[in-house]
Amino acid sequence: EAQVTQNPRYLITVTGKKLTVTCSQNMNHEYMSWYRQDPGLGLRQIYYSMNVEVTDKGDVPEGYKVSRKEKRNFPLILESPSPNQTSLYFCASARGTGGSPLHFGNGTRLTVT
Amino acid sequence: AQSVTQLDSQVPVFEEAPVELRCNYSSSVSVYLFWYVQYPNQGLQLLLKYLSGSTLVKGINGFEAEFNKSQTSFHLRKPSVHISDTAEFFCAVSSRNQFYFGTGTSLTVIP
Repeated sequence: EAQVTQNPRYLITVTGKKLTVTCSQNMNHEYMSWYRQDPGLGLRQIYYSMNVEVTDKGDVPEGYKVSRKEKRNFPLILESPSPNQTSLYFCASARGTGGSPLHFGNGTRLTVT
Repeated sequence: AQSVTQLDSQVPVFEEAPVELRCNYSSSVSVYLFWYVQYPNQGLQLLLKYLSGSTLVKGINGFEAEFNKSQTSFHLRKPSVHISDTAEFFCAVSSRNQFYFGTGTSLTVIP
């Protein structure tokens, strides 16, 4: 089954404790991206990647890192999480950006205390 | 950067009534347009997309949207809603390697 898999679904952590949210897709998609969803703000793009070893900042990249060492994986790293990063995070992938739609994972709800 | 405006944050509608969810975008270049639906505790699913051609686009679950270039709008419609249509709906624009989303419209279907 074609899918985008994120782990974990729920994560509670404390300020400053490094964490990684994993994302994997099995569709051989070139494009992958991370979003955060906050009430009243919709989805905002954090980082995106056009292909292996090619990443770029979205609209809200501060406090986040990503890497794209393999085509299928695109982890999101919070090196020193803060409470304002409490949010619902989505990973998504697409075949490309020429009109290809995004395929979304089921989300990771992160709480930073 | 692009911006996507969904004017209505919440839309209550009675079952079997028609509904329109509005979306406007700002762009002077060609864009691709999408509507996504998010059911509770789930990720986003593609409802429909506009790439080119006919301005009326049909999607899943009886939804359709009309692209209006002069008004830079992409409103979503359904002639008769069901309880199961209760969800959050997002309009999105793809341009220059990025996707931009509106703030969402929460559709509540009232029995």
